[in-house]
Amino acid sequence: GNSVTQMEGPVTLSEEAFLTINCTYTATGYPSLFWYVQYPGEGLQLLLKATKADDKGSNKGFEATYRKETTSFHLEKGSVQVSDSAVYFCALLGSARQLTFGSGTQLTVLP
Amino acid sequence: GAGVSQSPSNKVTEKGKDVELRCDPISGHTALYWYRQSLGQGLEFLIYFQGNSAPDKSGLPSDRFSAERTGGSVSTLTIQRTQQEDSAVYLCASSLGGGASSYEQYFGPGTRLTVT
Repeated sequence: GNSVTQMEGPVTLSEEAFLTINCTYTATGYPSLFWYVQYPGEGLQLLLKATKADDKGSNKGFEATYRKETTSFHLEKGSVQVSDSAVYFCALLGSARQLTFGSGTQLTVLP
Repeated sequence: GAGVSQSPSNKVTEKGKDVELRCDPISGHTALYWYRQSLGQGLEFLIYFQGNSAPDKSGLPSDRFSAERTGGSVSTLTIQRTQQEDSAVYLCASSLGGGASSYEQYFGPGTRLTVT
């Protein structure tokens, strides 16, 4: 079946540091890939997506590239802010139309 | 426009009681999903409705769990004879359709269920 493996947290960075959260997946066929974010006390929000190999999703300074050869979809941001503190979930959508999520990575950005 | 809404936001119940959780999807969205978020299991798929098709119930953890979607809109998730391990945040999501892999799922704020 489908699965998503995500970098274990928590991750603590200083403001303006570079962020990478690793995500790899196992799936049959050609899934779509997503990053969702959950800010404290709020619901899940879609951050970015990519629907085919070599696509790059981007939003709010975050980027992730769909790498089929390494089955990866790593999340990056060049300069994090305190307001980026949240839990980040990598997810895939396969042919069954249900999202399969990674375990989540807690990010804390210190001023 | 209005997003996905869920009620109640919090529910505390005694072990053995039945509970009903409600989801109102975004207007015009034909696909509706239920997920569960718990400390031990992370985010898990429960059930998926697409239009008038038979739902995909493959994620329901036991026969104590059931869900309905009336009129292609509002959905109710029912848990019978609740157990402590049912304590979790129950999330509902909707999307324009299930047929395209690019359709984004929009999540509601969730219902936090605590079984005492």
